[in-house]
Amino acid sequence: KAGVTQTPRYLIKTRGQQVTLSCSPISGHRSVSWYQQTPGQGLQFLFEYFSETQRNKGNFPGRFSGRQFSNSRSEMNVSTLELGDSALYLCASSPDRTGELFFGEGSRLTVL
Amino acid sequence: GENVEQHPSTLSVQEGDSAVIKCTYSDSASNYFPWYKQELGKGPQLIIDIRSNVGEKKDQRIAVTLNKTAKHFSLHITETQPEDSAVYFCAAVRGRALTFGSGTRLQVQP
Repeated sequence: KAGVTQTPRYLIKTRGQQVTLSCSPISGHRSVSWYQQTPGQGLQFLFEYFSETQRNKGNFPGRFSGRQFSNSRSEMNVSTLELGDSALYLCASSPDRTGELFFGEGSRLTVL
Repeated sequence: GENVEQHPSTLSVQEGDSAVIKCTYSDSASNYFPWYKQELGKGPQLIIDIRSNVGEKKDQRIAVTLNKTAKHFSLHITETQPEDSAVYFCAAVRGRALTFGSGTRLQVQP
């Protein structure tokens, strides 16, 4: 069974640009969550989607947004990039809203 | 919101020794406490978890204990091996939002 797939794995952007990251959950998983990992702030919850609806949102500015499609694939978007947005963005999926989270390898974003 | 504190931030042990990592949480409504292991260049991987209606859980060399009254939980790794070297994160879960601890870098010296 394929794991959680995140694309792209690495990307470099400049300040002011926007970026879209993609996450394909494990087949059959309907819940997708996104996390930001930085050396200074650690792992922080961004948002969770289930059945195409955002169910929870962390304390991030409105520049961070996401969506989930009918096939459970999810995307997150960061607009007007700032240097501080440089991080590893992790996606995690689970079968429902109570089970174990399975993480992908992450998308490493560098903002110059 | 929830706040999770994790100690120590780094831990170095000799192969075969035990390692203990401790976490405290603030939100008494948190009811699920997973532990993740993250190796370099990889995403976190769940290694063991415990729910609030259980005090202790063991899986081979790994065990987790939970004290709901004191709001703390611990990870115990016995007979450590070099492949246990990684960063370990605890988390407290309320609903579907995980709040992670700051991580412990475990180094097992051969």
